[in-house]
Amino acid sequence: EADIYQTPRYLVIGTGKKITLECSQTMGHDKMYWYQQDPGMELHLIHYSYGVNSTEKGDLSSESTVSRIRTEHFPLTLESARPSHTSQYLCASRRGASGNTIYFGEGSWLTVV
Amino acid sequence: AQSVTQLGSHVSVSEGALVLLRCNYSSSVPPYLFWYVQYPNQGLQLLLKYTSAATLVKGINGFEAEFKKSETSFHLTKPSAHMSDAAEYFCAVSREGSQGNLIFGKGTKLSVKP
Repeated sequence: EADIYQTPRYLVIGTGKKITLECSQTMGHDKMYWYQQDPGMELHLIHYSYGVNSTEKGDLSSESTVSRIRTEHFPLTLESARPSHTSQYLCASRRGASGNTIYFGEGSWLTVV
Repeated sequence: AQSVTQLGSHVSVSEGALVLLRCNYSSSVPPYLFWYVQYPNQGLQLLLKYTSAATLVKGINGFEAEFKKSETSFHLTKPSAHMSDAAEYFCAVSREGSQGNLIFGKGTKLSVKP
């Protein structure tokens, strides 16, 4: 059973608002990821982290930013939300090598109106 | 570059029938391959993975997949579909190198008819 948690699960906000999506894992995993998934579509990597104080942009360009101050915490922030940011955001984590399982949180559904 | 192709965005089977979801990959190095399932409004749950051990991999909920290098395939099967199997299924390959994130296919939505 994966111990990775995302809050909020569902959020509706107005254009121009700042939002932070929280992601925490209690498994001590070094690598963490944020994926974006539009309804019925595949997942695209937007950010990843190898460990504390390490963040990198993923394959899909995103206006969001991330931080990794603690191993267990990997929040994603949008400084000024727009309707184009409406999507599902999935946080994930993994320990060590590439063959190890990546565990996913339940996702945060963001709607910007 | 690594990639995953899932043939068929939507597959419909009758309850009790064989489930076959197709996945082909492209990779210049021996791949790590994964199948995940996603139920509505939920995250992804690992069904099974191939990491260069046995080519026939058994997973949860009665699913299994066979790695065929010559065909660059990793198709997912289940002998007898249940209504509870209705979900979206994603095939993925682990990116080579230290980043190691997953590169996903577009997904296949499985419907199960009573």
